Amino acid sequence: GQQLNQSPQSMFIQEGEDVSMNCTSSSIFNTWLWYKQDPGEGPVLLIALYKAGELTSNGRLTAQFGITRKDSFLNISASIPSDVGIYFCAGQLRSGGSNYKLTFGKGTLLTVNP
Amino acid sequence: GAVVSQHPSRVICKSGTSVKIECRSLDFQATTMFWYRQFPKQSLMLMATSNEGSKATYEQGVEKDKFLINHASLTLSTLTVTSAHPEDSSFYICSARDLVRPGTDTQYFGPGTRLTVL
Repeated sequence: GQQLNQSPQSMFIQEGEDVSMNCTSSSIFNTWLWYKQDPGEGPVLLIALYKAGELTSNGRLTAQFGITRKDSFLNISASIPSDVGIYFCAGQLRSGGSNYKLTFGKGTLLTVNP
Repeated sequence: GAVVSQHPSRVICKSGTSVKIECRSLDFQATTMFWYRQFPKQSLMLMATSNEGSKATYEQGVEKDKFLINHASLTLSTLTVTSAHPEDSSFYICSARDLVRPGTDTQYFGPGTRLTVL
């Protein structure tokens, strides 16, 4: 199925550093979602974006919905060891015809060295 | 709020047997639930969309007779892997769409079920 281009694939950073990851798509979405997945667990919603240009924060996390509706980024500031995990972006078309399906990026594996 | 549970969390079965996985939305009603499969170090791949009271919609390449989905109530969907084989071993994750919260239309995920077929 269709997938988003998510980059980088993996990141190794020192505790306290800022992190940035992004997703791009050839298709327009009207919702962008960012999830974090720990090993052996389901994804947990971090931030949901519903309008082009929207900038939303959740604690140390900030995400933006690109103005073209084809991209989004997620920033994590002052990383801590518990930020370790896989981060997924997901795009959604909010229409009945699409059945509200999510299209996922391939994930960004984040490792934080204490 | 917006809690989704799955049962069982892990299951090991013999080849040829059937396995049922339950997905429940605990504090909201979900007219639509989704079933995903995730192989190691890969992203989530949508298998099917489950609508309460109607037949599931399967993604291309997913065998509907092998992966039976039932969505009998607004809080419960089940996935049955019939005649399981080792290649069906995977991490199965469900999500539920929460329509009630104003201004949102977000999917919340269950904790996943690890299926191992011997």
